[in-house]
Amino acid sequence: QKEVEQNSGPLSVPEGAIASLNCTYSDRGSQSFFWYRQYSGKSPELIMFIYSNGDKEDGRFTAQLNKASQYVSLLIRDSQPSDSATYLCAVTNYGGSQGNLIFGKGTKLSVKP
Amino acid sequence: DAGITQSPRYKITETGRQVTLMCHQTWSHSYMFWYRQDLGHGLRLIYYSAAADITDKGEVPDGYVVSRSKTENFPLTLESATRSQTSVYFCASSPPGELFFGEGSRLTVL
Repeated sequence: QKEVEQNSGPLSVPEGAIASLNCTYSDRGSQSFFWYRQYSGKSPELIMFIYSNGDKEDGRFTAQLNKASQYVSLLIRDSQPSDSATYLCAVTNYGGSQGNLIFGKGTKLSVKP
Repeated sequence: DAGITQSPRYKITETGRQVTLMCHQTWSHSYMFWYRQDLGHGLRLIYYSAAADITDKGEVPDGYVVSRSKTENFPLTLESATRSQTSVYFCASSPPGELFFGEGSRLTVL
């Protein structure tokens, strides 16, 4: 059974701080890694994806991937109250079907003003 | 506007009734998916489709039926609803790897 594990939180950080969200996955064949944000009562929306080891930056967001450790993280710099949401880590090995993502249960982030 | 739409957004039904959740996308993505989201379980894949007339089971397919006669539509049917199927259902479509989600259908089975 392929698994994606996340700390459920809640993770609480003050406004302006760095929020660090972590995710581990069990399938060493995993090739693509995604972070989705889901506001309460809304559908998930893609924030970032990463395919290669190392860091990938997009504005205030940085995704980090370490395939050897089977670990992927999302850093949010200068956290804002509007970043308060549940963050879902998702993984695929493209095995069987494209886009067949396996999701973690999500980490709830709360940014306090 | 292009996008993915689900209907109904909210549905209350009784145990044993048949329910169909509709999903329509305008992007012509080949892949479409149905997920359910429950507290403590996260998003779990029910069924997916790689193209018209091609469907396959996901992690939790029991009690559900899908069809895909046209690329743009991917309905999900609960043939005899049970209380354990009370959930929020998300349809999604996909270019490689990335999912675009509909707004969700909240189903309550009494």
